[in-house]
Amino acid sequence: AQSVTQLGSHVSVSEGALVLLRCNYSSSVPPYLFWYVQYPNQGLQLLLKYTTGATLVKGINGFEAEFKKSESSFHLTDPSALMSDAAEYFCAVSDLAGANSKLTFGKGITLSVRP
Amino acid sequence: DTGVSQNPRHKITKRGQNVTFRCDPISEHNRLYWYRQTLGQGPEFLTYFQNEAQLEKSRLLSDRFSAERPKGSFSTLEIQRTEQGDSAMYLCASSLVTGEAFFGQGTRLTVV
Repeated sequence: AQSVTQLGSHVSVSEGALVLLRCNYSSSVPPYLFWYVQYPNQGLQLLLKYTTGATLVKGINGFEAEFKKSESSFHLTDPSALMSDAAEYFCAVSDLAGANSKLTFGKGITLSVRP
Repeated sequence: DTGVSQNPRHKITKRGQNVTFRCDPISEHNRLYWYRQTLGQGPEFLTYFQNEAQLEKSRLLSDRFSAERPKGSFSTLEIQRTEQGDSAMYLCASSLVTGEAFFGQGTRLTVV
């Protein structure tokens, strides 16, 4: 079974500062990993994904994440926060190696950006 | 294609009433998923379809919940005899068999 742990529920940074959102996962098979962003009263938008190959993955809006198998981690970073980055961020794992590809999500992290 | 569409966006119902939500996936996507998201939590998987076949149901999906995808296109999620604990955002997503899921904007259910 898959699980995702997102440490902390809220991160606050200043505009222009580095953003680091942590995600650790547990999976019984090689994982496919995702970061989604959710703005208030909206659905989820895919930021980036890792399936196979290069472990550093670049996504939209300047975000990137690195898959580290040894640490079971897939932390999300943004080198320079924008006010528009304020949202909730979810890490998810999918068992695409198996017969289904449902997603198991973490609890999410709310990112606030201070002017 | 305008993406995954969910209707209604908001639903307020009295406890004990039945409600039905609709999801229209991206047209070429053969997989369709339902998730439930409560306040402060990540989405939780409920069920998914490949074409018209319902392939998996979570234990979260009690007997009061039923989902259908009759022609492999749109899907409906019905909740019978709603309870206050059913209040949540219900999210639909669709994908190709090997692709990432694209989510709709959700239906927010409030049971009063």
